[in-house]
Amino acid sequence: GESVGLHLPTLSVQEGDNSIINCAYSNSASDYFIWYKQESGKGPQFIIDIRSNMDKRQGQRVTVLLNKTVKHLSLQIAATQPGDSAVYFCAENTSGGGNKLTFGTGTQLKVEL
Amino acid sequence: GAVVSQHPSRVICKSGTSVKIECRSLDFQATTMFWYRQFPKQSLMLMATSNEGSKATYEQGVEKDKFLINHASLTLSTLTVTSAHPEDSSFYICSARDYWDSSYNEQFFGPGTRLTVL
Repeated sequence: GESVGLHLPTLSVQEGDNSIINCAYSNSASDYFIWYKQESGKGPQFIIDIRSNMDKRQGQRVTVLLNKTVKHLSLQIAATQPGDSAVYFCAENTSGGGNKLTFGTGTQLKVEL
Repeated sequence: GAVVSQHPSRVICKSGTSVKIECRSLDFQATTMFWYRQFPKQSLMLMATSNEGSKATYEQGVEKDKFLINHASLTLSTLTVTSAHPEDSSFYICSARDYWDSSYNEQFFGPGTRLTVL
């Protein structure tokens, strides 16, 4: 079946540097994408979302880029802080598929002091 | 706003017993809730979609008789793991969708329930 996947399982960055987490999706019918942050033992926390009619969306210190041509999604975190250490998941939603979310495999972000 | 709670946060039970997990939307109405299971260092896997007042829709490979879902009100869905076995030990997470959200896409997640079956 179709799935959402990530290129890197673990990403280590220095505090203050920018982080880029990538995600590849395979369902061209997906029309809504979300990035979640999950800390150990907790539920996913919404970070930022983007709809398929956009290619970029910015939040506070975070930016999501969507490239529908190559089915690629990325999350950029500016000035990464120790509190950003967590697992990050991308998820895709297909309105015609019952509005269910399909999660990617996740990337562990480690911020080094 | 848009807070989802789960109870209990942690539960340990003996093999063969049943465990009920509650998912509540605290400040909004949710006609649809979702139940996920997450094994250590893995992603969230959707188990079922819970619809208020109707039967849940289960994903392929999920036993509906083992994972009983009841969505009796607009703010509460329950997941009962029947005759639990050690392989059912996992992190169970629910999410809810706001009925009045015009986009009807965003899901709000609960904090999860850690189930350990001895």
